Amino acid sequence: DTAVSQTPKYLVTQMGNDKSIKCEQNLGHDTMYWYKQDSKKFLKIMFSYNNKELIINETVPNRFSPKSPDKAHLNLHINSLELGDSAVYFCASSQEGSGYNSPLHFGNGTRLTVT
Amino acid sequence: DAKTTQPNSMESNEEEPVHLPCNHSTISGTDYIHWYRQLPSQGPEYVIHGLTSNVNNRMASLAIAEDRKSSTLILHRATLRDAAVYYCILPSGGGADGLTFGKGTHLIIQP
Repeated sequence: DTAVSQTPKYLVTQMGNDKSIKCEQNLGHDTMYWYKQDSKKFLKIMFSYNNKELIINETVPNRFSPKSPDKAHLNLHINSLELGDSAVYFCASSQEGSGYNSPLHFGNGTRLTVT
Repeated sequence: DAKTTQPNSMESNEEEPVHLPCNHSTISGTDYIHWYRQLPSQGPEYVIHGLTSNVNNRMASLAIAEDRKSSTLILHRATLRDAAVYYCILPSGGGADGLTFGKGTHLIIQP
């Protein structure tokens, strides 16, 4: 069983479009995250979210918005896609709120290509 | 934010131990030291974490210096499947909660 699953695995779209990436975890974790890995392979946290609080990295454009229909899902919506949004996006989850003393479990990523 | 420093790359031979160093001189007293690795075309994978004492699990061992300003991830017997980028991470502190990844060490395993 896949612990953290993301769909789609690949997403190719044009500039200006709106797209979503879905994430589901079956670990019963309280907190979920979205990370972005750019072409230079740097992994940057975008959001962390539990059922009480959304914490946003201040560098993330407001075109990006996480939506959580329930504790097991955290989807990423991106409006007005730009070329610079091309990257691999990883979803993750952890048992405790911060991941400080609780391992992060990552999905296998969604490679987004904006043309 | 607490920062870590790792060598860009290291090379080792298959079936030999590997010691991956990490410096974190600005670590605070409550920061756990986390290690993750990322295999090609996969998401990061948790390896080990610890606070003060040395830690062991089925994947690796973590040796933490007494002053906590450095640590070493030890792979006891490297295999080709251990070739990956290894990240030593401290909690990111302010801003978005969670862990902030640096550049990591690209570990190359020679057969």
